[in-house]
Amino acid sequence: EDKVVQSPLSLVVHEGDTVTLNCSYEVTNFRSLLWYKQEKKAPTFLFMLTSSGIEKKSGRLSSILDKKELSSILNITATQTGDSAIYLCAVHYSGGYQKVTFGTGTKLQVIP
Amino acid sequence: SQTIHQWPATLVQPVGSPLSLECTVEGTSNPNLYWYRQAAGRGLQLLFYSVGIGQISSEVPQNLSASRPQDRQFILSSKKLLLSDSGFYLCASARLAENYEQYFGPGTRLTVT
Repeated sequence: EDKVVQSPLSLVVHEGDTVTLNCSYEVTNFRSLLWYKQEKKAPTFLFMLTSSGIEKKSGRLSSILDKKELSSILNITATQTGDSAIYLCAVHYSGGYQKVTFGTGTKLQVIP
Repeated sequence: SQTIHQWPATLVQPVGSPLSLECTVEGTSNPNLYWYRQAAGRGLQLLFYSVGIGQISSEVPQNLSASRPQDRQFILSSKKLLLSDSGFYLCASARLAENYEQYFGPGTRLTVT
């Protein structure tokens, strides 16, 4: 059964801390791994990773994929209260159709 | 870029009543379309996806159904809602040309009472 597992499920940190969110997957015909940030409504896209070992970076956020370990991490440095959200990992894979499976998400709370 | 429209934004329906949620897509053609449900504090559960008009695949057996009458229109329906149908429903669109990056609509929050 295809699955995507995220850890931790929830996390509380203080402003300025660095956090690492984890995503592991078991799918057939992997195509890409996507990270999303969800605040109050629809998820917003952060990164798409297709190649192992290549870091994607946007400001204080960065992510890297390890295809050998079937996992990815999302790092957030110098966290701010505005980083508080649910971070969703999704894996896109193909099998006669194009499917995406989401993990349960990591709820991050950044306190002042 | 793609824009996904969903309505209504919120909906309160009694158990046993019918449901129709609509999703339309602008700025693209022949997308893959998806319906997800998200329970409070949880991840997204894929309900249906469609690779073309009239082509619907169901991921989870339930009392919901989906239809795609037009290329950029995706409808989620139920004949009789259950309490367990409450949740946040998201429509998403994705295209091969964009590596199937998912674009999400604003969502519909459904409360079944």
